[in-house]
Amino acid sequence: DTGVSQDPRHKITKRGQNVTFRCDPISEHNRLYWYRQTLGQGPEFLTYFQNEAQLEKSRLLSDRFSAERPKGSFSTLEIQRTEQGDSAMYLCASSLWTGSNQPQHFGDGTRLSIL
Amino acid sequence: AQSVTQPDIHITVSEGASLELRCNYSYGATPYLFWYVQSPGQGLQLLLKYFSGDTLVQGIKGFEAEFKRSQSSFNLRKPSVHWSDAAEYFCAVALYSGAGSYQLTFGKGTKLSVIP
Repeated sequence: DTGVSQDPRHKITKRGQNVTFRCDPISEHNRLYWYRQTLGQGPEFLTYFQNEAQLEKSRLLSDRFSAERPKGSFSTLEIQRTEQGDSAMYLCASSLWTGSNQPQHFGDGTRLSIL
Repeated sequence: AQSVTQPDIHITVSEGASLELRCNYSYGATPYLFWYVQSPGQGLQLLLKYFSGDTLVQGIKGFEAEFKRSQSSFNLRKPSVHWSDAAEYFCAVALYSGAGSYQLTFGKGTKLSVIP
């Protein structure tokens, strides 16, 4: 079991730049979730995929954010024209949906710092 | 709106002492309930979950939690804390979003410090 893998672990960039994060879920998991965690808070839901379909997006996901899961395996989260408020830990989680709810398993996250 | 409350922001216990972390949720029905632990700079590790059935659930690392419907609570307990338990603990509920997913809604977390 290789677990959920996220890359990079840390990203420092200047305001206005674009950034892209990658998540590789547990191989047999068909659901993939993105969360954002700011300092002193719990993670907040951003979006989720079942296979390659993006089925739900939070109001937190502004137009500058886009997520893809083109082949139903890994996913990318892109932030365009980054702002100071985007500084956070971005967490990816995956789960196996077989008709009943199963726990989500998290990666170690990508910490984004905007200068 | 659904919410998860962890009343204690920071708790300090001595190694070997017992521990109870509180969690209350606000939801009309019985949700799926979870406890996760997060070490600094790391992701979240699942400690235990409650879906249905026995209201006392056992998890990893010697943790247990009890679901009390009448109090809308899901408190986490450990009889004897080890120094390695120092971390941040998050209670979460999975609510059906209406779009096919069970989104996790987290509390703000309780930071646990352990005194040797």
